[in-house]
Amino acid sequence: AQSVSQHNHHVILSEAASLELGCNYSYGGTVNLFWYVQYPGQHLQLLLKYFSGDPLVKGIKGFEAEFIKSKFSFNLRKPSVQWSDTAEYFCAVSAGNAGNMLTFGGGTRLMVKP
Amino acid sequence: DSGVTQTPKHLITATGQRVTLRCSPRSGDLSVYWYQQSLDQGLQFLIQYYNGEERAKGNILERFSAQQFPDLHSELNLSSLELGDSALYFCASSVATGRNSPLHFGNGTRLTVT
Repeated sequence: AQSVSQHNHHVILSEAASLELGCNYSYGGTVNLFWYVQYPGQHLQLLLKYFSGDPLVKGIKGFEAEFIKSKFSFNLRKPSVQWSDTAEYFCAVSAGNAGNMLTFGGGTRLMVKP
Repeated sequence: DSGVTQTPKHLITATGQRVTLRCSPRSGDLSVYWYQQSLDQGLQFLIQYYNGEERAKGNILERFSAQQFPDLHSELNLSSLELGDSALYFCASSVATGRNSPLHFGNGTRLTVT
């Protein structure tokens, strides 16, 4: 079974700072990788996903993530955060043939100070 | 608004009791997933239904059961409740079961067992 680790539980940044949230997974086979975001009081929303191809994927709202197979990582980045990015971010993985049966990381709470 | 409706939003009950959580998927979605989000276990996949049939099981306790009805809504039944069952229960839906069918999450039902 796969597992997902998000090492940063809480991150506090000032507006315009750069963001990188770590995500590591453990699974030896083909994986599908996702980042979800949950804004305060709202449902989980898909930020971006990676299945195959270019390991640098771009998502909504200026977010991107890079899949590094050798490091089993899928870190989320944004060059310049805004106050509206305050939310909880979840990395998730599914095995190649497991579709939407996702294993989530523990989440990272991001607070952006205006 | 994701289009996925979960009721009730909040539920407070006592240990030993039984509750039913309801989920109406997004219009057109055939697959329903249940996830549990607790402080100690994070966000865990419980069970998946597709067009009325169970497709996959995750970390679902034997005290928990679910079903998907002909109108595609789903119910998650939790019985012999324990304090540790207190959590946020999310429902998600997708058109199909594969990775190319993005998940749409509801706002969750917050269950408190006292």
